[in-house]
Amino acid sequence: GEDVEQSLFLSVREGDSSVINCTYTDSSSTYLYWYKQEPGAGLQLLTYIFSNMDMKQDQRLTVLLNKKDKHLSLRIADTQTGDSAIYFCAERGAGNMLTFGGGTRLMVKP
Amino acid sequence: DAGVIQSPRHEVTEMGQEVTLRCKPISGHDYLFWYRQTMMRGLELLIYFNNNVPIDDSGMPEDRFSAKMPNASFSTLKIQPSEPRDSAVYFCASSYRGGNTEAFFGQGTRLTVV
Repeated sequence: GEDVEQSLFLSVREGDSSVINCTYTDSSSTYLYWYKQEPGAGLQLLTYIFSNMDMKQDQRLTVLLNKKDKHLSLRIADTQTGDSAIYFCAERGAGNMLTFGGGTRLMVKP
Repeated sequence: DAGVIQSPRHEVTEMGQEVTLRCKPISGHDYLFWYRQTMMRGLELLIYFNNNVPIDDSGMPEDRFSAKMPNASFSTLKIQPSEPRDSAVYFCASSYRGGNTEAFFGQGTRLTVV
């Protein structure tokens, strides 16, 4: 079945760029997503990319998709302490079901 | 729309008791998902429904877990009897097949079984 993997933890300094990486296995994925979960809250969609795109930019967020390698990344420019959260990568596979990675905990040090 | 609404937000119960978690999806959404989140196992899909029909319940851990969706605006996840290892945050999410089909999540129910 589908599998989505992420590193568990990332620590950066405020003002630096953060890059969160994700790999997936389902080559038929049509959409790939990045969700953010703040403490005590549910997951909220940050951004998404359609599988025929290589890159999508949205303010401080840049999503890169390498479909050949099945690799997705999220770059956050000028990372702020408010960006500290868990970031989940997800892919849409068969049956409209989203498969989530385990989440990457981003810690931003002042 | 108020988004996906889950209740209760927090539930503390004793081992062996029945627990019922509730979810109201976003109006017009035709998919509903139940997830469980723990530190050890991350986010796990338990079951999902399409048009009120269960499609895949392979993630339901055991027979103690059951889920129903009697109509398009309500779903329950029941655990009977509950055990301490069921302690987790349970999320409900809904989505619509059209568009980018993003899933909208509720705030979650934090379940503690003592």
